[in-house]
Amino acid sequence: EAGVAQSPRYKIIEKRQSVAFWCNPISGHATLYWYQQILGQGPKLLIQFQNNGVVDDSQLPKDRFSAERLKGVDSTLKIQPAKLEDSAVYLCASSFRWEGVAFFGQGTRLTVV
Amino acid sequence: GQQLNQSPQSMFIQEGEDVSMNCTSSSIFNTWLWYKQDPGEGPVLLIALYKAGELTSNGRLTAQFGITRKDSFLNISASIPSDVGIYFCAGITGTASKLTFGTGTRLQVTL
Repeated sequence: EAGVAQSPRYKIIEKRQSVAFWCNPISGHATLYWYQQILGQGPKLLIQFQNNGVVDDSQLPKDRFSAERLKGVDSTLKIQPAKLEDSAVYLCASSFRWEGVAFFGQGTRLTVV
Repeated sequence: GQQLNQSPQSMFIQEGEDVSMNCTSSSIFNTWLWYKQDPGEGPVLLIALYKAGELTSNGRLTAQFGITRKDSFLNISASIPSDVGIYFCAGITGTASKLTFGTGTRLQVTL
């Protein structure tokens, strides 16, 4: 069974530029998460989808971050414009609706210069 | 919001030693998970705990779900170099399966 796929693996951008990350969850997983992990810290939930609906986006900086999950499968996370403090690893995870155990992708390491 | 505190923050041990780390919260969780994260990779699930008091093993790893549902511990027996990494606890609460991560324990193993 294929795992959670994310791309790109690495991205370097200048501040005020925009960037987008892509995630393909495990087949059949209804729940999809985006996490931000700053160096030396645990992952912090940005947004959680159940199918194509948002369950929790309370910690998403909505003035610059947006996410969508069209058709309840793939998802994209966008940052526009990026700030230096957005430098982090962005992790995508998915889980079965009833089980709740999340499986993670390898992440995208974003560096804002 | 909910916070999970892990201790110790970091530990240096010799190969062959046993390791113990724990995770505490002020909130009740329905499920406890333990993940390991290697540099440059996403967290990998080690053990999942679903019931208060549950004790579960996975090879050299053993984890327990605290009776109060506010804590959990992870033990690693006879550590080996590939055990190096950061160990995170995570708790699930609510019908929406909200997953909250702990602060992490960094494990270093010396030969």
